[in-house]
Amino acid sequence: EDQVTQSPEALRLQEGESSSLNCSYTVSGLRGLFWYRQDPGKGPEFLFTLYSAGEEKEKERLKATLTKKESFLHITAPKPEDSATYLCAVRGSGNTGKLIFGQGTTLQVKP
Amino acid sequence: NAGVTQTPKFQVLKTGQSMTLQCAQDMNHEYMSWYRQDPGMGLRLIHYSVGAGITDQGEVPNGYNVSRSTTEDFPLRLLSAAPSQTSVYFCASNKGGNMNTEAFFGQGTRLTVV
Repeated sequence: EDQVTQSPEALRLQEGESSSLNCSYTVSGLRGLFWYRQDPGKGPEFLFTLYSAGEEKEKERLKATLTKKESFLHITAPKPEDSATYLCAVRGSGNTGKLIFGQGTTLQVKP
Repeated sequence: NAGVTQTPKFQVLKTGQSMTLQCAQDMNHEYMSWYRQDPGMGLRLIHYSVGAGITDQGEVPNGYNVSRSTTEDFPLRLLSAAPSQTSVYFCASNKGGNMNTEAFFGQGTRLTVV
């Protein structure tokens, strides 16, 4: 069964303190791994798509990497405005186009 | 571009009432979907559509109906609301053909069934 597990559930960082969020997945025939940011009361906002092991994507202070079993979202020198819940999702080889989401990691960056 | 627009943003229903959650996108995306988000459960697929006139069930379809008469609109109907349908509902769209493209989400509808 396709499954996504994110860790940690919650993460508190001081401004400027770099860290990584983990997304472990099992899926038959990966068709894409997606990272989203979700602010309270808002819909998920797309950040990155990764398709194959070894692939990396960067955007400002965020960098996403992918292996055959997991993905990491590295946050370098975070700022308070990076505080949000980060969601990881995978799409497998089925025909539904369904995204399987993890539970999310809630990041709080203190000034 | 407005992207994906959902209405209403908040709704309170009594058990047994019916209602329609509206979703519209202006990106000419072929693939549209509905998810619900519950604490501890993540986002789960309710129904999806690969194009006008075509819909299918997702992971948790019971109690919900959909239709897709146009490319732009994908309403979600609650037939007889139950407290278990209290949730936040998100509509999403992405480019069709290749469903491996990223999904864009609306702002959500927070539904409470009492």
